[in-house]
Amino acid sequence: IQMTQSPSSLSASVGDRVTITCRASQNINSYLNWHHHRPGEAPRLLIYTSSNLQSGVPSRFSGSGSGTDFTLTISSLQPEDFGTYYCQQSYSLPTFGGGTKLEI
Amino acid sequence: QVQLVESGGGVVQPGGSLRLSCSASGFTFSSGGMHWVRQAPGMGLEWVAFIRDDGGNKYYADTVKGRFTISRDNSANILYLQMNSLRYEDTAVYHCAKAPHTTYWSFEYWGRGSLVTVSA
Repeated sequence: IQMTQSPSSLSASVGDRVTITCRASQNINSYLNWHHHRPGEAPRLLIYTSSNLQSGVPSRFSGSGSGTDFTLTISSLQPEDFGTYYCQQSYSLPTFGGGTKLEI
Repeated sequence: QVQLVESGGGVVQPGGSLRLSCSASGFTFSSGGMHWVRQAPGMGLEWVAFIRDDGGNKYYADTVKGRFTISRDNSANILYLQMNSLRYEDTAVYHCAKAPHTTYWSFEYWGRGSLVTVSA
């Protein structure tokens, strides 16, 4: 299953609302997860099964979608949110989107 | 808290071998599936391999099938990745990751990774 993210990069300011989209090459129901990765750190699971917030993740993160089209939204960008965001399907053997590099 | 610490990376010649280890703590290691995921320089994340909690079922990406072997020692809380016949394109940071209890195919916690460089 191919995963396509957009945009591949974006620049935003603290306090902005940011939206990242992800499209699957086939129907994956709600088996879509979002991960955040800062250079030199361990990646972090943010959202699982499309819209469920992982424990400890701030409520400014939210996810939506089903089928083939999904969205990650950051309601009010914070400085620590820089890095790369990846969508990942868990419908079958895992595949990732190409990533969205977010610069603050 | 959950901790995953990878080790064993380094520089190896094409065709050579290397074994990565992932030391796990903060959770019941024997009760969950584990993954290896890699990131080549300038590229995105690529899933490499998965092993079930009891080591009975293993899955591999086509890019490493027949060359890499995932294994685990539940008595020592360690995950392994044996990498043979290494190629230039295997150069990457290799992360271990814990699967959640609800599905094999996701990544609940990750390690920082260990760098493997394949170079002559």
